Amino acid sequence: GQQVMQIPQYQHVQEGEDFTTYCNSSTTLSNIQWYKQRPGGHPVFLIQLVKSGEVKKQKRLTFQFGEAKKNSSLHITATQTTDVGTYFCAGPGGAQKLVFGQGTRLTINP
Amino acid sequence: NAGVTQTPKFQVLKTGQSMTLQCAQDMNHEYMSWYRQDPGMGLRLIHYSVGAGITDQGEVPNGYNVSRSTTEDFPLRLLSAAPSQTSVYFCASSVLGTGRTGELFFGEGSRLTVL
Repeated sequence: GQQVMQIPQYQHVQEGEDFTTYCNSSTTLSNIQWYKQRPGGHPVFLIQLVKSGEVKKQKRLTFQFGEAKKNSSLHITATQTTDVGTYFCAGPGGAQKLVFGQGTRLTINP
Repeated sequence: NAGVTQTPKFQVLKTGQSMTLQCAQDMNHEYMSWYRQDPGMGLRLIHYSVGAGITDQGEVPNGYNVSRSTTEDFPLRLLSAAPSQTSVYFCASSVLGTGRTGELFFGEGSRLTVL
């Protein structure tokens, strides 16, 4: 079935540094979603991208969907301690299935 | 709104025991699903449902049963618990878009340990 691969698995940064996580698929995705999970919490929806080449911003977060709709990225500018958590991408895995990447765990040194 | 409610939050089972994880949502969502989360494995889909009376298998369905008798409830049954089923289980729901799921709303999770 459809798989989405996410890298890196872990990322440790100093507060104020930028952070990027990447999501790749071997096949074209009709859409991609991004979620954030705080330590000990549950995943929370951040955004959905649908269009080829789409770029969306939420304050310091920038989401991109590749032109071929096979990859996506989440970039955080000037990280803050509140950004700590695991970020997941998720794409369609067949009819009405949403398949998640392995996630990127972000830790921040204040 | 309560959103998605899962019970219990914690459970310890012995190998071979059976149990049911409960999930209820009050958002009138057609789509409901169960995921398990293991370290380094992300979230893996167990079963899902697109409406009352309709269920289907996800990526890792073995050892689990589901039913959807109402729009609100989607219980997950472990038939004969095994240590490999030690995990954190999340229930999630969403509206159904045209050919795709919408934003998933997750419950707070149920942490299951099988000894």
